[in-house]
Amino acid sequence: QSALTQPASVSGSPGQSITISCTGTSSDVGSYNLVSWYQQHPGKAPKLMIYEGTKRPSGVSNRFSGSKSGNTASLTISGLQAEDEADYYCCSYAGSSTPYVFGTGTKVTVL
Amino acid sequence: QVQLVQSGAEVKKPGSSVKVSCKASGGIFSSYAISWVRQAPGQGLEWMGGIIPIFGTANYAQKFQGRVTITADESTSTAYMELSSLRSEDTAVYYCARDAVAGTFQIADYWGQGTLVTVSS
Repeated sequence: QSALTQPASVSGSPGQSITISCTGTSSDVGSYNLVSWYQQHPGKAPKLMIYEGTKRPSGVSNRFSGSKSGNTASLTISGLQAEDEADYYCCSYAGSSTPYVFGTGTKVTVL
Repeated sequence: QVQLVQSGAEVKKPGSSVKVSCKASGGIFSSYAISWVRQAPGQGLEWMGGIIPIFGTANYAQKFQGRVTITADESTSTAYMELSSLRSEDTAVYYCARDAVAGTFQIADYWGQGTLVTVSS
């Protein structure tokens, strides 16, 4: 199972919107509505931001939204804030034998 | 509230083994999948394997098959990950994560604080 493909870096100015893509295959992203997105600040554990492709856990800002089209999932951060600067990882369910495959990770920089 | 507390940092010699623990509190331990995810320095997240304690059988990523053993002790609500034949490339932070949905792997919601394992001669 190969890692999902994400851009290495994305940047934006405060208040802008950015979108991070996550490209998989018909065996993972394309087959299941089970893509999660995680935010990770340096030295910290990942934090769940989006699950089942589009849903936000309680407490996560509505500035974060998710979508999917075919084999590609996307995370959009609107109204970018300094605190959003972090690494972001997608993760897809990939079947019962190897349930999880992570993306390569994207570093978000707030200019 | 679910909490996962992992054991402390380890320094190991190449060729040896390491066993990391993950103690859960809050919620029903047996019904929820526990995954182990590692992150090498400056690198991304990598799923190693997981277990649903009530079922007892672990799943492993192909890359780690034969070198990793994941177990769970329902009496103490603790999951374990043992990695053998350690090499320098295994230097990483190892996380445990609990799923949000009982009985399956779908959403790794709750995470431990991470355990740094350093492999060095």
